[in-house]
Amino acid sequence: DIQMTQSPSSLSASVGDRVTITCRASQGIRNDLGWYQQKPGKAPKRLIYTASNLQSGVPSRFSGSGSGTEFTLTINSLQPEDFATYYCLQHNSYPWTFGQGTKVDIK
Amino acid sequence: EVQLVESGGGLEQPGRSLRLSCTGSGFTFGDFDVTWVRQTPGKGLEWVGFIRRKAHGGTTEFAASVKDRFTISRDDSKSTAYLQMNSLKTEDTAIYHCSRAGGYGPAEWGQGTLVTVSS
Repeated sequence: DIQMTQSPSSLSASVGDRVTITCRASQGIRNDLGWYQQKPGKAPKRLIYTASNLQSGVPSRFSGSGSGTEFTLTINSLQPEDFATYYCLQHNSYPWTFGQGTKVDIK
Repeated sequence: EVQLVESGGGLEQPGRSLRLSCTGSGFTFGDFDVTWVRQTPGKGLEWVGFIRRKAHGGTTEFAASVKDRFTISRDDSKSTAYLQMNSLKTEDTAIYHCSRAGGYGPAEWGQGTLVTVSS
């Protein structure tokens, strides 16, 4: 199975900060990776697909990069509505696997 | 608007069975694959399984933790996919979400349905 190591597990940031979250795959997954945001009691919401493509309707302050084994989600100018938990998901091979999640809270 | 609604969750005893439904609207259900994911309260996400659209064979894939106990089927005429869970274990307790997937992994998700396995 492909292991997805996501870091950090949590971070505290202020409105306006730039935030970076990383996922590392245990083997190459091309660009078969998505980034998801989840708020308490809500369904996950896809932000980025195929590593770097912005989902329709998602603000442009979110961006993704990477290929192979190293991937990054960046949030430029963090907004109050961005405080949530973020997950990466690889869908290159079965079983699909998620990162452990990164909880972004208010400093 | 694309919507997915899960139903069928509840409290069940270990060893028993439960069937979850995932009903889609706002899109042509049969044109998409369907994924099931679960989330233990307060913890992370775990991929459970996947059913391909009929045009891609309608076949399924499962996580090792549920393989041979869970099955997935679909009835595109009802825009619904089903997760049949047999031989339930306490560790199957979770919120179960379904999502539709095109060629780029899961996109839209449902809110989920809670399954509690306890004696």
